[in-house]
Order: sequence, then structure tokens, then C-alpha cells
Amino acid sequence: AQTVTQSQPEMSVQEAETVTLSCTYDTSESNYYLFWYKQPPSRQMILVIRQEAYKQQNATENRFSVNFQKAAKSFSLKISDSQLGDTAMYFCAFIPLLGGSQGNLIFGKGTKLSVKP
Amino acid sequence: DAGVTQSPTHLIKTRGQQVTLRCSPKSGHDTVSWYQQALGQGPQFIFQYYEEEERQRGNFPDRFSGHQFPNYSSELNVNALWLGDSALYLCASSLGGTISRTQYFGPGTRLLVL
Repeated sequence: AQTVTQSQPEMSVQEAETVTLSCTYDTSESNYYLFWYKQPPSRQMILVIRQEAYKQQNATENRFSVNFQKAAKSFSLKISDSQLGDTAMYFCAFIPLLGGSQGNLIFGKGTKLSVKP
Repeated sequence: DAGVTQSPTHLIKTRGQQVTLRCSPKSGHDTVSWYQQALGQGPQFIFQYYEEEERQRGNFPDRFSGHQFPNYSSELNVNALWLGDSALYLCASSLGGTISRTQYFGPGTRLLVL
């Protein structure tokens, strides 16, 4: 079974500081994409960042960056200069490109991040 | 450029009833996926529609069915509602023919079954 594990149900960080959210996944596939999605209290799921598994270079998107360790099946999200608007549930997800589950996202249970002023 | 839209935003039904949820994909997208998100959980994949056919299906019973129209919009139907069907139902759209596979989500429909 393909699974995503987010071991931190809740985290908090002071405004302007840096925080790292952990994610590990289990798959036998070698071709897949990884994502971090953000779901604020208003509930709209928003894409934060995407990583192609075949790329060794870690993706970055402004204040958001990932640490992708393919061998360890680890995909952590670092948020720099945290802002109050970063308060949300963060979901790690991956999508296999081959195999029986190709095309559908597999999500973790989420990490609730609170940014404190 | 319109994003993914869903209707209705909220819905209350009683056990045994049937419900239809609707989704319009992001402009230019041809693939629609549906997810169920129970309270405090990550979304669970229900099924995906591409070229008006169900292309993938998750571990959901046949009470969950769907449809995709020629304009790529989609419906999710749930028959014989259970209390356990209470959840946020998310629709996501993407381009089926590309390798980007990035799915963009709508705001969801909150279903409460009493």
C-alpha cells in the first residue's frame, strides 16, 4: 500500500521565524511527483510547492522550500520568515505516474501550523 | 481565469437520501477528480474522470458514482446516504494529457447527513 505519514499533528512558530514540517512516504514506484498543499481555515486547498521525483534539485517557491531525500523517502517543507497568513493545515501528498494508483493524489493526515505574533 | 468551482457550498441530508454535487474545472482543464475529506483527516480519493469516463477509482462503494459532461464539468452522486458520509467533498481539476499532474482544488461542498 502507498502511504504518506506526517508525524507532527500540530506545530507552532513565531512570526518571522523558520519552521520545518516533516513528511515521509512509502511507495514501490520510482516515478512520482510530491506536493505540499495548504488548507487555511476557509478550507480552499492551495498548492504550495511541487517536486518531481526524478529531479535531484530541491524545489523552492519564494519563502517555501523542500528537502527531498528520495532514498529515505522523505519530503520536508521549510517555511522561512513565517507570516500570520501561513496559519493553516499543511498536507503532504504524492501522485504516482505509473501503476494502479496513477493519477490520484495520496495524502497524509496533515500538520496544523499556527503562526503566532 | 476562473478557478475550480463547486456547488452547493453546504448541504444537509438525512440517512437514506441521495445527493448530487457539482464541479466545474479550471479553464483549460479536462480531468476532474473527487476526494472525500472527513473532519481532521486528509482527503481520500474517490474517482477521476477523463474524456467522460471513469479512469481511476479509489476504495469507495458503488453508492458513489459520477459523471463527466462534454464541457468537462462533473457530478458526484451518493445514494443511500449514511451518517459516515458526512464530510467535505473536494473536486480537483488537472490536464489529463500532460505529465504535470498538478491538481487544483475547488472550495468544497460540506455535506452533513443527519
